[in-house]
Amino acid sequence: DVKVTQSSRYLVKRTGEKVFLECVQDMDHENMFWYRQDPGLGLRLIYFSYDVKMKEKGDIPEGYSVSREKKERFSLILESASTNQTSMYLCASYSGENYGYTFGSGTRLTVV
Amino acid sequence: RKEVEQDPGPFNVPEGATVAFNCTYSNSASQSFFWYRQDCRKEPKLLMSVYSSGNEDGRFTAQLNRASQYISLLIRDSKLSDSATYLCVVGGYNKLIFGAGTRLAVHP
Repeated sequence: DVKVTQSSRYLVKRTGEKVFLECVQDMDHENMFWYRQDPGLGLRLIYFSYDVKMKEKGDIPEGYSVSREKKERFSLILESASTNQTSMYLCASYSGENYGYTFGSGTRLTVV
Repeated sequence: RKEVEQDPGPFNVPEGATVAFNCTYSNSASQSFFWYRQDCRKEPKLLMSVYSSGNEDGRFTAQLNRASQYISLLIRDSKLSDSATYLCVVGGYNKLIFGAGTRLAVHP
């Protein structure tokens, strides 16, 4: 089974801090994604990557950046955290057209 | 118009009931179709892929109507453990679009 690991389940950060969310997958997948999920809004795509050092903006990239230096690791960076970035962040890896995405267990970020 | 639309529910049903969820999508070029299940405060997990001919997995049946751009999920003999949010997912190559989900609550 594909395993997607997010480094933290819960994080509390202060406004203005730089925040790193890490995601690692163990199946050599090329395509990885970062979403945020908020009540009533569903899953919204922040950034995705098709390969090492490649990145594409999703629907809501403002305030975020990403890094993909190694194939297995896709990092989401909040350059200067703000309270409206309090959310559940989900990383996913693409498992092929019959299996869709495999998600990590999520990071619940609170910015105070 | 949203790319993937679902009735948000909640659907409140007794154990043993049959319940159906519907989903419509806007991009006629979509090639991949899935239903995901998400438990409260957990990550979404794949429930089943949806194929053009329709497919069944135990108590769950999924149907796809490409002409109407419509996907359905039927759950028979509902269990308490089926209580969750069900996400309709549609995509092309590599990139998937998620519906906002339909909440199901099964009660004794």
